[in-house]
Amino acid sequence: AQSVTQLGSHVSVSEGALVLLRCNYSSSVPPYLFWYVQYPNQGLQLLLKYTSAATLVKGINGFEAEFKKSETSFHLTKPSAHMSDAAEYFCAVSASGGSYIPTFGRGTSLIVHP
Amino acid sequence: DSGVTQTPKHLITATGQRVTLRCSPRSGDLSVYWYQQSLDQGLQFLIQYYNGEERAKGNILERFSAQQFPDLHSELNLSSLELGDSALYFCASSETSGIQETQYFGPGTRLLVL
Repeated sequence: AQSVTQLGSHVSVSEGALVLLRCNYSSSVPPYLFWYVQYPNQGLQLLLKYTSAATLVKGINGFEAEFKKSETSFHLTKPSAHMSDAAEYFCAVSASGGSYIPTFGRGTSLIVHP
Repeated sequence: DSGVTQTPKHLITATGQRVTLRCSPRSGDLSVYWYQQSLDQGLQFLIQYYNGEERAKGNILERFSAQQFPDLHSELNLSSLELGDSALYFCASSETSGIQETQYFGPGTRLLVL
């Protein structure tokens, strides 16, 4: 069984401020973890993924995430927010070693203020 | 533009009806994935096909079925529709079937069941 909890349905930051979106997972087997972004009225886009290599994963658009097994977390960060980062962000978990069957979190809406 | 196309963009139908959603993957991609995004259920993985064969199954209802054709396009069939089936249905494609493959998402089909 696997599940994902994204703390905070909305996160508001000022332009230029640190972005931190939280994701905690539960998995009975070693997980693969993903962050997706959904811009308004668009489909999903993969930001980054953890597939048991380096625990610090760098993605597109300056985002990165760190896999912390002891904390069962995979938080997404970006040092400096841009207005264009305003979107919905989804964390997902899938069991490693098998088929891709992801479970998604409920999403976090990132609001960026000028 | 991800290169994945979905038709139709919008669909309005009545309860009890049947609809077919179509997805054309990126050129050369062999895997197609289907997802449902609704207010109640959030984002859910439905099913994956690879080169015409079912590869992984998620939270797909028995009233729903999918297939992938020899030209690699895929169709998602939804029958005996209920109000709760109203959602945005995405498809995605990837080169192969591996869990580490990056998926490219289409813009979605928005289904409204009245």
